[in-house]
Amino acid sequence: DAKTTQPPSMDCAEGRAANLPCNHSTISGNEYVYWYRQIHSQGPQYIIHGLKNNETNEMASLIITEDRKSSTLILPHATLRDTAVYYCIVRVDNNAGNMLTFGGGTRLMVKP
Amino acid sequence: EPEVTQTPSHQVTQMGQEVILRCVPISNHLYFYWYRQILGQKVEFLVSFYNNEISEKSEIFDDQFSVERPDGSNFTLKIRSTKLEDSAMYFCASSAEYQETQYFGPGTRLLVL
Repeated sequence: DAKTTQPPSMDCAEGRAANLPCNHSTISGNEYVYWYRQIHSQGPQYIIHGLKNNETNEMASLIITEDRKSSTLILPHATLRDTAVYYCIVRVDNNAGNMLTFGGGTRLMVKP
Repeated sequence: EPEVTQTPSHQVTQMGQEVILRCVPISNHLYFYWYRQILGQKVEFLVSFYNNEISEKSEIFDDQFSVERPDGSNFTLKIRSTKLEDSAMYFCASSAEYQETQYFGPGTRLLVL
């Protein structure tokens, strides 16, 4: 699976949009981009995933660049409860395996 | 909304003892996983399980670990003879199909003394 690079930490003001970047410059055509978050040692929580197109759900939006080498997770109106570690994971969609490989993630601190 | 559940939430054991961690995956899911996270470290894959067989395992998943689906709902992780370094959060996950989204449980915090 392609490696990802994320900033180790970010701050965001409550009520503002949080934009979390992820670099995956070695991504290949059949690899999906997944985002999870982990709130204070709880189980990782699935947020969103995508392949090529931008995606939106009730939690967040995922913007993937046209060359797919980077993506941004957007929390449109961050709340204090969004304080967590956010993980960007790329995973191949073939018979190469089913495991998720977590990196260090971005620790997002939402401040009042 | 269906959730993965895990019991117990906390487990304290003596070194050398056997522990069994239990998970109830989401009911229509077919693939099951265990991950662990040592305090302050990354979440690490241990094993995946499908059709009553291990389908993948990591180097961490050595002979002291085993997994089982003893009935139609539970999925267990057994550590035969615990070591101090087994102290970690253990997360169970499940997915509906191969390489579909994995949903995680809340974890079991294991402390080996």
